[in-house]
Amino acid sequence: TQLLEQSPQFLSIQEGENLTVYCNSSSVFSSLQWYRQEPGEGPVLLVTVVTGGEVKKLKRLTFQFGDARKDSSLHITAAQPGDTGLYLCAGDEIGGGADGLTFGKGTHLIIQP
Amino acid sequence: DVKVTQSSRYLVKRTGEKVFLECVQDMDHENMFWYRQDPGLGLRLIYFSYDVKMKEKGDIPEGYSVSREKKERFSLILESASTNQTSMYLCASSLRRQLTLEIAKNIQYFGAGTRLSVL
Repeated sequence: TQLLEQSPQFLSIQEGENLTVYCNSSSVFSSLQWYRQEPGEGPVLLVTVVTGGEVKKLKRLTFQFGDARKDSSLHITAAQPGDTGLYLCAGDEIGGGADGLTFGKGTHLIIQP
Repeated sequence: DVKVTQSSRYLVKRTGEKVFLECVQDMDHENMFWYRQDPGLGLRLIYFSYDVKMKEKGDIPEGYSVSREKKERFSLILESASTNQTSMYLCASSLRRQLTLEIAKNIQYFGAGTRLSVL
């Protein structure tokens, strides 16, 4: 079973600060996705990265896929209270026949006004 | 937009009751999944289905069963609810992986979740 380790597990910072969360594995993935889940709701896809070294930006959020496609990071610039939520990374097994994803346990992010 | 609808947002049941959780998707997706989500444990896959009447066990199928009689609907059944099944249940759907594509973007779309309490 492939594992995705996310760090930190919890992060509470002030509005306006920058932060980075990480998603690491010893396994290679064909793609990696980031989801955000707000309290009482289901996860919603933010981005998919598919190429080693790829960087994608979504407003103040920057996502990077590691060169070896084993890890990824999410950087938030000037965090806002609306960024509060659970951030999940999910990896798609390379060459896998099944269509399931491997999910990390998530990073709980709280942005305090 | 893809829509995955779970029939109930909150449910309270008694130990021993039979519980049905319903999920419907409107994008003609082949794959459907049921997860439970618990603090500190993340998302854990209970069952998934890649076609009508097909089902596969996930990581924690014990105490659960599923039904997929129509492509758009995937039901999770707790035959005899127990307190350790109190949890947030999430349904998801996705397109069947297109093996002819060089890069398959395997995206899952989630419902809003059902928070089940078993007393």
